[in-house]
Amino acid sequence: GAVVSQHPSRVICKSGTSVKIECRSLDFQATTMFWYRQFPKQSLMLMATSNEGSKATYEQGVEKDKFLINHASLTLSTLTVTSAHPEDSSFYICSALGRGATYYNEQFFGPGTRLTVL
Amino acid sequence: GQQLNQSPQSMFIQEGEDVSMNCTSSSIFNTWLWYKQDPGEGPVLLIALYKAGELTSNGRLTAQFGITRKDSFLNISASIPSDVGIYFCAGTNSGNTPLVFGKGTRLSVIA
Repeated sequence: GAVVSQHPSRVICKSGTSVKIECRSLDFQATTMFWYRQFPKQSLMLMATSNEGSKATYEQGVEKDKFLINHASLTLSTLTVTSAHPEDSSFYICSALGRGATYYNEQFFGPGTRLTVL
Repeated sequence: GQQLNQSPQSMFIQEGEDVSMNCTSSSIFNTWLWYKQDPGEGPVLLIALYKAGELTSNGRLTAQFGITRKDSFLNISASIPSDVGIYFCAGTNSGNTPLVFGKGTRLSVIA
């Protein structure tokens, strides 16, 4: 149990295009999901907190109009990188916060999405 | 954003040796977590610590939650090649808040 998936696992796009990344909790519900970004040889840096049915909360320095987050259901959050540029190339990782008796307040990480912007 | 001080940054050890890494923080955390990340993958939880002074083992891994709640260490005994990867500590004060990560310790095991 407690599996989080991300799709796609890898994406290469041209500069100026938009890319959508999905984060799904497969066997549990998550009212809260977190989006992290990881540059090569660096740690995970929190970008935003995604709450089901409400607006995401962004960390300082993260442009909300560039990184659009939608958490439309208890099992799905999406991150859309709009008008992507080469400096947006990174490894994007989501985590889902469990609810209910089994996974209450435990965070489970997805496998990550490697974005390369040419 | 806030980060934890994790050391060492990297380690090269012989197979069979023991490994120790630690994390410190200027502020208190109620929960300390240790993760391992393989290349191109997301972090996988190794050990979770919820109480100051707590010492917890998971196979060859042992971790402790510092009594001041500002530090934690992770030990790996009798290292094997599959221990290679990046180990991250993380702290949080509430289960429903995002984690604060250390910068990671890159472990290489020489057979």
